[in-house]
Amino acid sequence: EVQLLESGGGLVQPGGSLRLSCAASGFTFSTSAMSWVRQAPGKGLEWVSAISGAGGSTYYADSVKGRFTISRDNSKNTLYVQMKSLRAEDTAIYYCAKSRDPFESWGQGTLVTVSS
Amino acid sequence: QSVLTQPPSVSGAPGQRVTISCTGSSSNIGAGYEVHWYQQFPGIAPKLLIYANTNRPSGVPDRFSGSKSGTSASVAITGLQAEDEADYYCQSYDSSLSGWVFGGGTKLSVL
Repeated sequence: EVQLLESGGGLVQPGGSLRLSCAASGFTFSTSAMSWVRQAPGKGLEWVSAISGAGGSTYYADSVKGRFTISRDNSKNTLYVQMKSLRAEDTAIYYCAKSRDPFESWGQGTLVTVSS
Repeated sequence: QSVLTQPPSVSGAPGQRVTISCTGSSSNIGAGYEVHWYQQFPGIAPKLLIYANTNRPSGVPDRFSGSKSGTSASVAITGLQAEDEADYYCQSYDSSLSGWVFGGGTKLSVL
C-alpha cells in the first residue's frame, strides 16, 4: 500500500523559509516521479512542483519558480521542497503526490501558514 | 481564474445521474493531453477518481465514468448516493504554461 507522510509545516513570517518533507513507502520510490500540490484554505488545488524519479528533471509552477526548490533522496525514500521568500499567498495545505500525470496517490498534507 | 473551467456546483437527487464538465483550450485538453479527475471530501486529501480520460482505478465504483471530446471533458455519476457528496476536480497538462493544471473544482450536493 502506498503511504506518503508529509511533515515540516508550520507558521512562518513573510519572507521566511521552510522545508517540507514527504516520507514514502509501499512502492519503488526511486523510479516514481513525485509532485507537490497545494490547497489554500477554502480554495482549489494548485500544482506546485514535480521531479523525475532520478531527480534530474524538475518542474515548477510560475507562482513558485525561483523561490521553491524540489529535491529527493532516493536512499531515504523522501521527497523535499525548500521554500524561500514565503508570501501570504503561499499559505496552504501542501500535499505530496506519487507521480505527476495523474497524481496517483496523495499524502494527508501539511499546513503552511505565512503570517506575521 | 483556473485554466480549466468547472461549474462551481451541481446537485442531484439520490439515484439520479449527474455530470460535471471541465472546459479547457487548445493548449491543454484540446491539444490531446489526458484529463484526470479527483474526488475530495472535506478535510481529506484528494483521491484519484478517473485517469486518462476514461479509466477507473481499482476500487472506484463503475457508477463513475469519464469522457473527453474536443476541448472538454466530463465525469458522470449514475445512481447518485449520499456518500458521493464531495468536491470534484479535473486536471490536465498545459503546454503554454509548461505545467499541470487543475479546474476550479465542483461541489456536488446530493439533495
